[in-house]
This record gives sequence, C-alpha cells and structure tokens, in this order.
Amino acid sequence: DGGITQSPKYLFRKEGQNVTLSCEQNLNHDAMYWYRQDPGQGLRLIYYSQIVNDFQKGDIAEGYSVSREKKESFPLTVTSAQKNPTAFYLCASTDPTGTITPNYGYTFGSGTRLTVV
Amino acid sequence: GNSVTQMEGPVTLSEEAFLTINCTYTATGYPSLFWYVQYPGEGLQLLLKATKADDKGSNKGFEATYRKETTSFHLEKGSVQVSDSAVYFCALLSGGYQKVTFGTGTKLQVIP
Repeated sequence: DGGITQSPKYLFRKEGQNVTLSCEQNLNHDAMYWYRQDPGQGLRLIYYSQIVNDFQKGDIAEGYSVSREKKESFPLTVTSAQKNPTAFYLCASTDPTGTITPNYGYTFGSGTRLTVV
Repeated sequence: GNSVTQMEGPVTLSEEAFLTINCTYTATGYPSLFWYVQYPGEGLQLLLKATKADDKGSNKGFEATYRKETTSFHLEKGSVQVSDSAVYFCALLSGGYQKVTFGTGTKLQVIP
C-alpha cells in the first residue's frame, strides 16, 4: 500500500547537535511538507516543496533545513540554531495536479517525536 | 489570507451523546474543506471532505456540510463512542499549490 513513512518514531537530541528526520513517500506525490506540532497547539508549517530540487520556507523555518533531491524523500534537519526543538514533527504529501488523489488534501506520516536531553 | 477557526476544547461527552464541533473559515475563491482526526501519538488521518458548496462529507458516522453562506463546516456525529476520543482538525485547501490551512484542533474526550 502507498503511504508516507517517517523515521525514527522517537528521537533524542543533545544540546548543540544537529539531527535529521526522515520522510519517504511512495505515492508519487509532487508536493511534500513538514509541520511542527506543540502540545495543545495546531500545526505550524516549517518548509514545503512543490517539486524536486525546489523548496520554500514556511511560517517557522528558522533553525531548520531541508533538501529535496528525490521525489520520494524530503528529510528535515533540526540544527543547533533551533533553540526549542522539542515537539512532534509531521511530514505530509499531496498531489497538486489532482490526478492521483483529487482534492484529498494531505496524506500524513505517523510523526517523529523529538526531545532535547 | 486564509484562516480556519475552531471551537476550543476540550470537549467532554458521555458515550452515545450527540457531537458538534464548530468550524468557520475565511478564504479567497472556492476552497475545499476537510476534517482530519489525530489519535494520541499518531499523525493526522483524513476523516471527511467536501469540495463545493452544499456538499456533505461523511465517514464513520461523522458528517459535515459545506455552507458557503455562513462559511462553516461543522462536524457532527449522532452517537459518539469512547474510540472517537481524539483531536479533530478542520482545514481548508485553496490556491494553486495545495497549501492547506489548519485550525488549532479540538480535543474530544468520550467517557463511558
């Protein structure tokens, strides 16, 4: 079955360390997204990519970086510049053309919970 | 810009009670509207959708009707179960590049 796989499910980061969260999809979707979710809050957009080798900053991009070298993969790096990285991170994808999943909005991964230790 | 406003939670109901979670939106053009559900420790799952005015989305006993005149998309269920306990997000999709705008989520707790 097609879907989005995020790994790891739990991740611990030491102060000053960079960590990378993986997101892989086999839905043939062009667009991919990273969201951050804090307890009791909604989703905030970090970065998004509409096509391979292209990405744009979302609302809270500072302290994060991404790459989109392959259609299937959109890894997120949480850098040491992100001062409060403890959160639940969600990756999503969608088909902007509507030919694969018309008007279905996003498909989400199961998330990565990042904790600073 | 686009925005989604949901009623604040948490909402606590007894099993078999009637559920309504209010959602209103502001958007340019003719957005598609969604309800997503998030169970503890998991990602979001699409619950139902509506793509044009007066459409009714339905799934697993949940329903929501796209009301353009009131810019609303309220979620309803006639008889909730303990297994419905989750956080529910209202969302809209508008524009050419599929950027979804989410509400802040409403936590539902159903007690036996």
